[in-house]
Amino acid sequence: DQQVKQNSPSLSVQEGRISILNCDYTNSMFDYFLWYKKYPAEGPTFLISISSIKDKNEDGRFTVFLNKSAKHLSLHIVPSQPGDSAVYFCAASRAGGGADGLTFGKGTHLIIQP
Amino acid sequence: NAGVMQNPRHLVRRRGQEARLRCSPMKGHSHVYWYRQLPEEGLKFMVYLQKENIIDESGMPKERFSAEFPKEGPSILRIQQVVRGDSAAYFCASSQAGGSTEAFFGQGTRLTVV
Repeated sequence: DQQVKQNSPSLSVQEGRISILNCDYTNSMFDYFLWYKKYPAEGPTFLISISSIKDKNEDGRFTVFLNKSAKHLSLHIVPSQPGDSAVYFCAASRAGGGADGLTFGKGTHLIIQP
Repeated sequence: NAGVMQNPRHLVRRRGQEARLRCSPMKGHSHVYWYRQLPEEGLKFMVYLQKENIIDESGMPKERFSAEFPKEGPSILRIQQVVRGDSAAYFCASSQAGGSTEAFFGQGTRLTVV
């Protein structure tokens, strides 16, 4: 039972354009959402998060949007850079992040093409 | 300020042997989480520990797997009588507190069972 779904295993975007990574969840108890970036042979690195009381959070080139009614969130990266090529994991938590562990999606491999 | 340290980075065990994975959380962090990533899968929560306490082990297989986080020293994930299906990357994360604090991940231990 996949409670957090990332339906695109991979995404290819041209350098300088916008990258949009999508994530859907089924558990309405989730109230905190995070995006992690992972390079091969390294651990996930925290990127950005959003609480369910917000619908948008922005940090530099990264913006996360949350649509609670649709149980959908997305990560926008603009402009995309070659160093953004990595696997991006969407994660959700029931208790404000950290506690109870995080439920991860399977990841989307973002490839930025020059 | 060192990050989350996991060792060993790579571990090879024969079927039936024991595997011990270590995780030293970031300085000042008293919450530790273990995750497992199987090939082509996202990260799956295994167990959440605070010092000397297991808070949530709902993701741990019922047999052969155990975890501890003693008062002194690193957190240990122990897998007894390993089988081929235990081959995976095991990631540890730590946080300062539960709630809305983001967890920071180590680089992982890749376990290969031969």
